[in-house]
This record gives sequence, structure tokens and C-alpha cells, in this order.
Amino acid sequence: GDSVTQMEGPVTLSEEAFLTINCTYTATGYPSLFWYVQYPGEGLQLLLKATKADDKGSNKGFEATYRKETTSFHLEKGSVQVSDSAVYFCALLHRGGKLIFGQGTELSVKP
Amino acid sequence: GAVVSQHPSWVICKSGTSVKIECRSLDFQATTMFWYRQFPKQSLMLMATSNEGSKATYEQGVEKDKFLINHASLTLSTLTVTSAHPEDSSFYICSAAYTGTSVYNEQFFGPGTRLTVL
Repeated sequence: GDSVTQMEGPVTLSEEAFLTINCTYTATGYPSLFWYVQYPGEGLQLLLKATKADDKGSNKGFEATYRKETTSFHLEKGSVQVSDSAVYFCALLHRGGKLIFGQGTELSVKP
Repeated sequence: GAVVSQHPSWVICKSGTSVKIECRSLDFQATTMFWYRQFPKQSLMLMATSNEGSKATYEQGVEKDKFLINHASLTLSTLTVTSAHPEDSSFYICSAAYTGTSVYNEQFFGPGTRLTVL
């Protein structure tokens, strides 16, 4: 069945460091892909999405490119801030309308 | 736009009682709502999918008599945890989606409800 695998956390970075969180997926066809962010005690917020191969989603300095050759959707940011500390979830939209989530990656950014 | 609210944001109840959690789409009609459960430091686990006016579809392993879902209107779905026990303590998150011309492309998430059963 469809699945999403993320790199394990926690990831600890210093402010202004470069961020990469790896995400790979297994799916039939070419599902839409998403990155969600969850701040402590809150629900999920959509960070960015890509709906077809080679699409690049971007928002708030974060980017991710839909790579069908490597079935990947890695999240990147050139310079992280303390306020980026959160848990990040990669997800794909299953044909039945269900979101399949990765296990989440906790990011901690130190000043 | 596309705001989803949940009420209450947190609730504490005694073992054996029932708790109702509401999920509302504030500015759009949600033909489908999803209920998730999240344990600390873990991912979201889909519990059930509810479509307005029809019975919810539960994921394997989720007790439908334990977690009652009602989607009575296009803007409201409720999750009732019946005869709650401490192991039901969790963070419950709903999401809502509307159907476009084909399959829906995005779900909008509520802020979550923290349930603690004593």
C-alpha cells in the first residue's frame, strides 16, 4: 500500500543553518504531496504542496520538489530561524482521499 | 478562508463518561471530514472518514461503537468517545475537505482537542 518515510528526528540546528528533511514515498500513480507543520499543542498547518512531477512547492522560505524518479519530496530551507522549531510531516494524498503521513520529524533550532 | 475549528480545545473527564468533540468548517462546505488521533511524539492515525449524510467509514482496528461519528451537516461533524477510559486519552484532530471537480486536493485541519481521561 501507499506509504511515506521521513528521516528520523530530532534534528537540531543552529539559527541560519541549512535545513533538509528527507521524505520518500511509495504509491500507485502520482499522488499529490504535502508538507505540514505542527507547533507544540496545535493542529497541522499546510506548509507547501506539489500536485505533479517536477512541481516545486514553496512557502515561508521552505521548498520541496516533487521528484518522481527518486519518489522523493525533500523539504529544504536555506536559513532556519528559532521560530521554525516544530514537527514537520510529509504526506501524500491517497486516491481514496486519505492523507498518508510520514512519522514526523522534530526540528529544534537553537539561537 | 478554509478555516476549521474544534471545540473544546481540551477536556478532562472521568472514566466511564462520554465526551463529544465538534469539528466545524467555518467558511466552506465540507463534504468530507476526517478524524485523526495522535499520541505524543507520534504521527497522525486516521480513525475514520465521514461524509455528510452518510455513515462514517472506520479504519481497521478502530471501534465504531466506541468512537461515534456524526456528520449531520456540511459544516459540522462530531466525534463522541463513549465510556471513555484512560487509554483513550490523546490528541484528536479533525480535518475537512470539499470536493472539487474530481477528487479533493487538500484537507484543512482543526487545531485539535486534547482529551484526558482520569
